[in-house]
Amino acid sequence: DIQMTQSPSTLSASVGDRVTITCRASQSISSWLAWYQQKPGKAPKLLIYKASSLESGVPSRFSGSGSGTEFTLTISSLQPDDFATYYCQQYNSFQGTFGQGTKVEIK
Amino acid sequence: EVQLVESGGGLVKPGGSLRLSCAASGFTFSSYSMNWVRQAPGKGLEWVSSISSSSSYIYYADSVKGRFTISRDNAKNSLYLQMNSLRAEDTAVYYCAREGGSSLAPLDYWGQGTLVTVSS
Repeated sequence: DIQMTQSPSTLSASVGDRVTITCRASQSISSWLAWYQQKPGKAPKLLIYKASSLESGVPSRFSGSGSGTEFTLTISSLQPDDFATYYCQQYNSFQGTFGQGTKVEIK
Repeated sequence: EVQLVESGGGLVKPGGSLRLSCAASGFTFSSYSMNWVRQAPGKGLEWVSSISSSSSYIYYADSVKGRFTISRDNAKNSLYLQMNSLRAEDTAVYYCAREGGSSLAPLDYWGQGTLVTVSS
């Protein structure tokens, strides 16, 4: 099974900050990686797919990069609406493993 | 507009059974693979199971293999999860989610979730 490890688990940041979250896969997943945003009490929302493709309607301040085993999600200028938990998910194998999540908190 | 609406959650005793449903609308249900993902209270997301558009391919997480059964009825635009031999650790919000249209695709639409509580 492919394991996904996110870091950090929690991140404290201010509005306007540049934020980077890392996701590592236990084996190569090519570019088959997605990023989701989840707010309390809500379903996850797809932000990025195929490691770097922006889902329709998602603000351009979100970007993704990486391939193989190491990936990053970057928010170029953190906005109040971005305080949430972010998850990566690999979909290279048929068991679509998620990372453990990164909570972005207000500093 | 794509809509996924889960139902069937509730309180069940350990060892009991429950059947979740997910009603889909706003897209050609029979053309998409579907998934169940769960989230225990205060915890992260856990992928549970997936089923291909024609039910030819079915996969499960090791944690539910042999206890849960995923199925679908394309004529009724519905996805199901039969959960047997339930354990306390199965307590979670269960989401149904659509895979995007290609063979390897992320989960692009999610339902609002239904809560399953396993407790005596």
